[in-house]
Amino acid sequence: DTGVSQDPRHKITKRGQNVTFRCDPISEHNRLYWYRQTLGQGPEFLTYFQNEAQLEKSRLLSDRFSAERPKGSFSTLEIQRTEQGDSAMYLCASSLQGSSPLHFGNGTRLTVT
Amino acid sequence: DQQVKQNSPSLSVQEGRISILNCDYTNSMFDYFLWYKKYPAEGPTFLISISSIKDKNEDGRFTVFLNKSAKHLSLHIVPSQPGDSAVYFCAVRGGTSYGKLTFGQGTILTVHP
Repeated sequence: DTGVSQDPRHKITKRGQNVTFRCDPISEHNRLYWYRQTLGQGPEFLTYFQNEAQLEKSRLLSDRFSAERPKGSFSTLEIQRTEQGDSAMYLCASSLQGSSPLHFGNGTRLTVT
Repeated sequence: DQQVKQNSPSLSVQEGRISILNCDYTNSMFDYFLWYKKYPAEGPTFLISISSIKDKNEDGRFTVFLNKSAKHLSLHIVPSQPGDSAVYFCAVRGGTSYGKLTFGQGTILTVHP
């Protein structure tokens, strides 16, 4: 399978705990994106990387959220001190630079209790 | 402020008929427009796209129309099939951020046999 891979698929955590998600993009893609989706809404942009450089971060993104892509391949998204409002589907996508569509993984569903 | 709006939360169509999904946007600087389809428990899947220099793009049963003066995008599916039942998102690129896609809220399409 050469698509975008996300791990874990589901995560249940207690409020105040830290969580980390991993994304492995399509191997030849140099751009990697993180989005968040809640029920009844479209995917909401969080941040994106070109190779290892983080080029843009949403203004709405709390400083409890941090993402890395240290070697320009896989990426991790960490949420510190989780809150119930962080419960959502976290989607990762990758693309080639330029006019190419984003290819999404199947997401990590986070539930904060 | 919502830059991309899908005003119909749901659409119900008979098999074999045409499905028309609509999307409005606010920023005339957007230059690339896409439609994604999403099944439950999966990530969004790219369907079709159009650049701002065109007004129509076809791919099999799917046609996207772009009306730049009205800032309006539509997706036509003909003939509709039960397997087309899914959530459809429009997405745009450009404006102040060239790298990311901004998504609408989605329209749930149900195609009845």
